[in-house]
Amino acid sequence: EAQVTQNPRYLITVTGKKLTVTCSQNMNHEYMSWYRQDPGLGLRQIYYSMNVEVTDKGDVPEGYKVSRKEKRNFPLILESPSPNQTSLYFCASRGTVSSYEQYFGPGTRLTVT
Amino acid sequence: QQQVKQSPQSLIVQKGGISIINCAYENTAFDYFPWYQQFPGKGPALLIAIRPDVSEKKEGRFTISFNKSAKQFSLHIMDSQPGDSATYFCAASMRGNFNKFYFGSGTKLNVKP
Repeated sequence: EAQVTQNPRYLITVTGKKLTVTCSQNMNHEYMSWYRQDPGLGLRQIYYSMNVEVTDKGDVPEGYKVSRKEKRNFPLILESPSPNQTSLYFCASRGTVSSYEQYFGPGTRLTVT
Repeated sequence: QQQVKQSPQSLIVQKGGISIINCAYENTAFDYFPWYQQFPGKGPALLIAIRPDVSEKKEGRFTISFNKSAKQFSLHIMDSQPGDSATYFCAASMRGNFNKFYFGSGTKLNVKP
């Protein structure tokens, strides 16, 4: 089954404790993105990647890092999480430059205390 | 500043009625306008999308109306059903960079039986 998977689905952590949210897609997609969803703000793009080793900032990259060492994986790293990063996070992938449809993962709910 | 403004924030419609959600944008470089549907606990899923070279696109009960001069687009759900109850997001992506997506704030639709 074609899908985008994220782990963990739920995470509660404390301020300053480094964490990684993994994202993997099995559709051989070139393009991948990370979003955060907050009430009243919709989804905001954090980072995106056009291919292996090629990434760029979205609208809200501060406090986040990403890497794309393999085509299928695009982890999101929070080196020093803060309470304002408490949010619902989604990973998405897209096939080719001419295919606009994004496929979203199931989401990761992160709480930073 | 939100690049895509969406209204209303919430909407209650009787079964069989028409649901209308509106979005507006300022950036004339936007070239692709998708609508996403999100059920609780799930990631957004592409519902329907339009490019600015057409004024309307219909897929089943879902229609996008696009007004390029007014920089507005809307989603119409005809014969709304309780199964349509979800949160809907409009979005926009820019000509030349379809990796960057800007989402509206979302509309929570409740279709009453």
